Amino acid sequence: SQTIHQWPATLVQPVGSPLSLECTVEGTSNPNLYWYRQAAGRGLQLLFYSVGIGQISSEVPQNLSASRPQDRQFILSSKKLLLSDSGFYLCAWSSGGIYNEQFFGPGTRLTVL
Amino acid sequence: AQKVTQAQTEISVVEKEDVTLDCVYETRDTTYYLFWYKQPPSGELVFLIRRNSFDEQNEISGRYSWNFQKSTSSFNFTITASQVVDSAVYFCALGTSGTYKYIFGTGTRLKVLA
Repeated sequence: SQTIHQWPATLVQPVGSPLSLECTVEGTSNPNLYWYRQAAGRGLQLLFYSVGIGQISSEVPQNLSASRPQDRQFILSSKKLLLSDSGFYLCAWSSGGIYNEQFFGPGTRLTVL
Repeated sequence: AQKVTQAQTEISVVEKEDVTLDCVYETRDTTYYLFWYKQPPSGELVFLIRRNSFDEQNEISGRYSWNFQKSTSSFNFTITASQVVDSAVYFCALGTSGTYKYIFGTGTRLKVLA
């Protein structure tokens, strides 16, 4: 069976500090991978998605970046966090085309102070 | 342009009441896919159902039912005899062929009161 892991679960970081969130998927190969952000009480904002190693599509030009160094690993990074980066970050995967559902990780709650 | 509208921001019902969550979508594609997800307080989104644009059959799964109507571009979700455990944020999403992006609605927060 497939599983998706995200860590850390919670993170408190000062403004201007770097960020690295990791997501890994097990039990499948060549998944489509996604990073979403959810501000408190708000909907999902797609940040990045990847359909293959090294292939990253950015939806929101911000101080965030994403990388996919391995088939089932997706990393979200920032060199300098802003207060507005606070939120709930969700990683998701899907297989094949858009006709398949996404499976979400447990999320990382990031607070930037 | 593709768009998903969930006009109901928050709904409160008393346990055992029926409740319908609305979802209206916009797309010019003839092939598309609709999804519903549940986000309980723990935060992880859970997939509930998928429908493709060629299948307008309504579906029932226990207390859950979905009404897909292409004529009104709606894919509504009904919970019968709601329970406290149904309290969550529910998201409707749209996927169109030729892309890997899913368009999510803003979600409806459902509160079921005991």
